[in-house]
Amino acid sequence: KNQVEQSPQSLIILEGKNCTLQCNYTVSPFSNLRWYKQDTGRGPVSLTIMTFSENTKSNGRYTATLDADTKQSSLHITASQLSDSASYICVVSPGYKLSFGAGTTVTVRA
Amino acid sequence: GAVVSQHPSRVICKSGTSVKIECRSLDFQATTMFWYRQFPKQSLMLMATSNEGSKATYEQGVEKDKFLINHASLTLSTLTVTSAHPEDSSFYICSASVAGVDPYNEQFFGPGTRLTVL
Repeated sequence: KNQVEQSPQSLIILEGKNCTLQCNYTVSPFSNLRWYKQDTGRGPVSLTIMTFSENTKSNGRYTATLDADTKQSSLHITASQLSDSASYICVVSPGYKLSFGAGTTVTVRA
Repeated sequence: GAVVSQHPSRVICKSGTSVKIECRSLDFQATTMFWYRQFPKQSLMLMATSNEGSKATYEQGVEKDKFLINHASLTLSTLTVTSAHPEDSSFYICSASVAGVDPYNEQFFGPGTRLTVL
């Protein structure tokens, strides 16, 4: 069974601090890995997409890393802002059908 | 670019009635559209995949007669929840992609529709 596991389930950080979210997957075959941000009551918005040959990709204050050998990915948020409060979902694609992680809920406090 | 809209954003209906949700790709033609359901604090679950002009492919456990999907054009797909019951209350999200153009086969998600069945 293809699985995508994320940790932690939730975290609280102070505004301005950094945090790192983890994603481990067993999906095979592997096409690409995506990180999405989902605000409460909204659809997911793409942050980064990486193929197996890409080790890192940045989008502003968001930096994703990928180790295709160990099947691990991380999403680093730098200098967090209140607007970063959301659920961050790791999604692995073996093709057109996506495998979703359960998400990490990030709460940024002033 | 790559904007997907959904209408309505929220709908409340009585048990036994039918509800139609629209998903539109606003600035591109989507060869494939996907419908997802998301329960509170859970991740998205794929319900069905639809290609323009053909019948939708439903995931195991999803009743095709209850969740009717029509993909009449390259910019519009509709999901109709027939004879809705309170257990159908959920957040419904659509996404759209263009096959063969984007090497990532990226899916662009709509903002979601909150369905509440009383």
